[in-house]
Amino acid sequence: EAQVTQNPRYLITVTGKKLTVTCSQNMNHEYMSWYRQDPGLGLRQIYYSMNVEVTDKGDVPEGYKVSRKEKRNFPLILESPSPNQTSLYFCASRVGRGHEQYFGPGTRLTVT
Amino acid sequence: GENVEQHPSTLSVQEGDSAVIKCTYSDSASNYFPWYKQELGKGPQLIIDIRSNVGEKKDQRIAVTLNKTAKHFSLHITETQPEDSAVYFCAASRGGSGNTPLVFGKGTRLSVIA
Repeated sequence: EAQVTQNPRYLITVTGKKLTVTCSQNMNHEYMSWYRQDPGLGLRQIYYSMNVEVTDKGDVPEGYKVSRKEKRNFPLILESPSPNQTSLYFCASRVGRGHEQYFGPGTRLTVT
Repeated sequence: GENVEQHPSTLSVQEGDSAVIKCTYSDSASNYFPWYKQELGKGPQLIIDIRSNVGEKKDQRIAVTLNKTAKHFSLHITETQPEDSAVYFCAASRGGSGNTPLVFGKGTRLSVIA
């Protein structure tokens, strides 16, 4: 089954404790992205990747890091989480520009 | 960069009525316009998309129209059913090379009242 998986689905952590949210897709897609979803703000892109070892900032990259060492994986790293990073995070992938984007199930992160 | 405005933010309709959600975009080079449906507790899922070389596309009860001159596109849902209740997002992106991310509207919460 074609899918994007994320782990963990739920995470509660404390300010400053480094964390990683994993993302994996099994569709051999080149493009992968991370979004955060906040009430009233919709989906905002954090980082994206056009291929292995090619990443770039989206609209709200501050406080986040990503890596793309393999085509299928695109982890999101929060080196020092802060409460304003409490949000619902989605990983997504697509085969290329102008094509359907597939979203993962989401990771709800709470930073206290 | 691209900016996508979506209206209304909430919409309530009676079951069987039609629902219309409208979006405007700012980048005249955008040429791909998808619509996503997000059900509670799930990630957004593509329901229909349109490219700039067509003005209208229909899939059963769902249709999308595009007016490139005015830079707006709309989602039309006819004969609404309770399972249509969800948050709907429009998006826009351009083709070509380089960075062409999907830019999303802020979403419309649709409630279909039985």
